[in-house]
Formats: sequence, structure tokens, C-alpha cells
Amino acid sequence: EIVMTQSPATLSVSPGERATLSCRASQSVSSNLAWYQQKPGQAPRLLIYGASTRATGIPARFSGSGSGTEFTLTISSLQSEDFAVYYCQQYNNWWTFGQGTKVEIK
Amino acid sequence: QVQLQESGPGLVKPSETLSLTCTVSGYSISSGYYWGWIRQPPGKGLEWIGSIYHSGSTYYNPSLKSRVTISVDTSKNQFSLKLSSVTAADTAVYYCARHWRPAYYMDVWGKGTTVTVSS
Repeated sequence: EIVMTQSPATLSVSPGERATLSCRASQSVSSNLAWYQQKPGQAPRLLIYGASTRATGIPARFSGSGSGTEFTLTISSLQSEDFAVYYCQQYNNWWTFGQGTKVEIK
Repeated sequence: QVQLQESGPGLVKPSETLSLTCTVSGYSISSGYYWGWIRQPPGKGLEWIGSIYHSGSTYYNPSLKSRVTISVDTSKNQFSLKLSSVTAADTAVYYCARHWRPAYYMDVWGKGTTVTVSS
């Protein structure tokens, strides 16, 4: 099983600031990496797939990068609606998810 | 607009079988895509349970494979999950979702349903 490790567990950021979230895979997943946003009581929402492609309707302030084992999700200027938990998911070998990074208001 | 909706009992007794159904609207299951189940225990991360194609081909998480059965009913545009011999560790929010092919990202999710295992 491919283990996905996200860091940090919690990120405190002020509105308007940049947030950088990391995700590491225990072995290469190529670019088969997705990012999801989850708000309390809601289902995960697809943000990024293929490590760097924004899903339909996702604002340009969300960007993804990386390949192999190291990946990054960047939110360029945090809006109030962006405070949530973010999960990375590899789909190179079935699916496994990271434990999530909670982005909270500083 | 494709929508998925989970349904089923919110409370299951230990050692019994958990049964959930996902009803798909706005898209015919027979037209393609794979359809999966994912769960999230309270305060924890997401775990893929298994997926099915409209033909009936199934893929299960090896860690749950011995207890999981996923089936599809194309006439009702639904697919279902059965998880046997449940314990408190199976308490979770259960989501259904779709993905284009095996080992692909999941682009549409249901809102989830909470299942508690307790006597």
C-alpha cells in the first residue's frame, strides 16, 4: 500500500495570505495525485487532478505541483471560504489518501 | 448535473451486515464510469472501500475484501455496499463517488451517510 503523508497537520493563515500544503508518497505515484477540499459536514470536493490540473470551476488561486513522491498545493490568497481540510489522494495504485491538513484562520 | 445520494440504516449492531445504497441521478450508470465507496471514521481520514463497473466488475480494498460486497442495479441506476461482521471500527461516514476508470480520481461525490455500529 502506498502511504501518503501530509504536512503540516494544521496550518494557521490570515485571509489574503498564501498557504502551502505538502504531500509525500511512500513510493512514486507519477502524476497520479489529486487534491480535495472538505468542509465540516460536506463531502470532499475535487480541486486538482494529475497533480496540477484544476478541476472544473476551481478558482485560479488554487494550484498544484510536483511529481513522483513530492507534491504541493498552493492557495495564493486565502479567502474566507477556503478554510477547510485538504486531502491528497494517490490513484497510481488503487487509492490511498493522506491524513489531511486543516487550514484555519490565524 | 450528476448527483449521488447514499441511503441506508444509520445504526447497525455489531457482527451484523451494513447495507447501503447509492442512487445516481443525472447520469446513467450503464453509460460508463466506475462507482465506488469511501468511508471516513469520526475525526479521521478517508479510506477507499471498493468500486464497481456497470458490467459488474469489482475492485476491493485488500484490507476489507473478505467482508465487502459491492453490486450494481442498472435498472434502478443504483449500486450498493454490503459490509459483513461489523464492529465499532466500522463506524464512519460512508460516501459514494464516481471515477472514470480504475485507479482514477473521483470527480463527483455523494453527501455521505453516517453509520454507527453499536448494540
